[in-house]
Amino acid sequence: ELKVEQNPLFLSMQEGKNYTIYCNYSTTSDRLYWYRQDPGKSLESLFVLLSNGAVKQEGRLMASLDTKARLSTLHITAAVHDLSATYFCAVKAGGTSYGKLTFGQGTILTVHP
Amino acid sequence: NAGVTQTPKFQVLKTGQSMTLQCAQDMNHEYMSWYRQDPGMGLRLIHYSVGAGITDQGEVPNGYNVSRSTTEDFPLRLLSAAPSQTSVYFCASSYNGGSEQYFGPGTRLTVT
Repeated sequence: ELKVEQNPLFLSMQEGKNYTIYCNYSTTSDRLYWYRQDPGKSLESLFVLLSNGAVKQEGRLMASLDTKARLSTLHITAAVHDLSATYFCAVKAGGTSYGKLTFGQGTILTVHP
Repeated sequence: NAGVTQTPKFQVLKTGQSMTLQCAQDMNHEYMSWYRQDPGMGLRLIHYSVGAGITDQGEVPNGYNVSRSTTEDFPLRLLSAAPSQTSVYFCASSYNGGSEQYFGPGTRLTVT
């Protein structure tokens, strides 16, 4: 059974600081996704990571994937208040034809001035 | 494009009542899913469909039914609501099995 764990679950940051959210998963995967959710809102796709060593960047967020370590990271550079949200990683198990995703618990990020 | 739409936005049910949560997408996506979101547990897959007429169970299917008669629509039926089904329900669609999923705005359901 595929398990996905994120840490930390809660992250309080000051504006301008850097930090990393970690996503560990338990079995082989061929795709990993990062989503953002604002309070009371739906999920917004941030990144799709397809292969070992994949790195994607959008603004102050950069995601990477290490399939050998079964680990993805979401790095935040010079945080700003607008990045406050809940971030989820989701993993598609390897070998499955449909994108049955298993989600992590989510990381609640709060950026303070 | 409206994307993925869900109705209703909010619903309160009494234990034992039944209802249908509606989901529609206008992106001609073959793949559609239903998730529930509970605090501290991320999202969990209830049922999914890989095309019209084809559905299958996800991680937490008990108490829910689905059908997919058209590409656009994927309703979720609660047969006999229980307080444990109090949750936020999201519908999602994707172009294929590996592409990103697009989520609807959610339905917040309370069962008393």
